[in-house]
Amino acid sequence: GENVEQHPSTLSVQEGDSAVIKCTYSDSASNYFPWYKQELGKRPQLIIDIRSNVGEKKDQRIAVTLNKTAKHFSLHITETQPEDSAVYFCAASISRSQGNLIFGKGTKLSVKP
Amino acid sequence: DAGITQSPRHKVTETGTPVTLRCHQTENHRYMYWYRQDPGHGLRLIHYSYGVKDTDKGEVSDGYSVSRSKTEDFLLTLESATSSQTSVYFCAISRGGTTDTQYFGPGTRLTVL
Repeated sequence: GENVEQHPSTLSVQEGDSAVIKCTYSDSASNYFPWYKQELGKRPQLIIDIRSNVGEKKDQRIAVTLNKTAKHFSLHITETQPEDSAVYFCAASISRSQGNLIFGKGTKLSVKP
Repeated sequence: DAGITQSPRHKVTETGTPVTLRCHQTENHRYMYWYRQDPGHGLRLIHYSYGVKDTDKGEVSDGYSVSRSKTEDFLLTLESATSSQTSVYFCAISRGGTTDTQYFGPGTRLTVL
């Protein structure tokens, strides 16, 4: 089955710096890669996603890149702000599998003012 | 927040008692999911449903059962709760399968003493 590894588990940056979180997946058939942000005590919320027919996607300060050959994808946050502090989860799924969205174990991002 | 509610939001119970958690949606989405979230493990799929009375197991289904008699409700039952089932439980919904965006409910914090 699919396995998703996420690194680093914790990340601390200064406000205004960039943050990068990386994930690798094992099943080459995976074709959908969402990223979720979870603030303390809150529900996970989708911040950006990418499909396997696209190499990069941007939304303001957030971007995701996908390398299908290497089976890894990354989240890039530029000009970080204190409100970006949260736990970020990557995930991967396969269209032929109706139920299995496999999540990484999360990265706790701290942005210091 | 995508019209998803969970009840109860908090519950403390004793080992060996049955527990039922409810997820209710007002979006008329076909797919519904139950996840558990534990420190160091991210989000893990317990069971999911792809229609009324259509359910299947996820990666951590042992000790759990589900039912879906109406589009809007998805119930998760712990037949005989154990301390290892102490966790935060999230329900999620999506219009399509797992290559479609999943929206999460607010979560239920369950403590089994």
